[in-house]
Amino acid sequence: KAGVTQTPRYLIKTRGQQVTLSCSPISGHRSVSWYQQTPGQGLQFLFEYFSETQRNKGNFPGRFSGRQFSNSRSEMNVSTLELGDSALYLCASSSTPGLAGVVDTQYFGPGTRLTVL
Amino acid sequence: KNQVEQSPQSLIILEGKNCTLQCNYTVSPFSNLRWYKQDTGRGPVSLTIMTFSENTKSNGRYTATLDADTKQSSLHITASQLSDSASYICVVSKGGYQKVTFGTGTKLQVIP
Repeated sequence: KAGVTQTPRYLIKTRGQQVTLSCSPISGHRSVSWYQQTPGQGLQFLFEYFSETQRNKGNFPGRFSGRQFSNSRSEMNVSTLELGDSALYLCASSSTPGLAGVVDTQYFGPGTRLTVL
Repeated sequence: KNQVEQSPQSLIILEGKNCTLQCNYTVSPFSNLRWYKQDTGRGPVSLTIMTFSENTKSNGRYTATLDADTKQSSLHITASQLSDSASYICVVSKGGYQKVTFGTGTKLQVIP
């Protein structure tokens, strides 16, 4: 079974630009979560999608948005890039949504390394 | 404030030796605690998931313990191998992926 794939793996942008990252979950998984990882802040939750609906959102500005398609693939968009957006962006998939009381294994992709100059 | 603190921040051990990583949390209410291994430049890989009622869980040479009363968890690595060199991240959830608090990780280096 193929794992979670993310494209592109590396990206360099300049301030003010926008960027779109893509995530393909494991076949059959309908939940996709996005995370930002930086050396200073560590891993932080961005948002979660399940069956094309955003279920939960972390504490990030509205410049960060996402969507999920009917085939469960997900995209994340960051508009008006800032230097502080430089990070490793990880997506993770699971078969069930992150509901309270549901304990399911999340499988992470390799991440997209975004550098903002 | 919900916090997850891991210690030590970094650790160097000889191949074949055992080690224990610590995770203390203040997250409440508690749903589950996960340990992840993250190789440099890669995404995290789940090692163990423990709920409130579980106090030990093993995955090969990795054994996690949980004391929900004292809000402490540990990850014990037995007979370390060079491939164990990675960051180990403790993640505590109130319930649901959005209510997670990540520890900053312990960077482990196993040397020959």
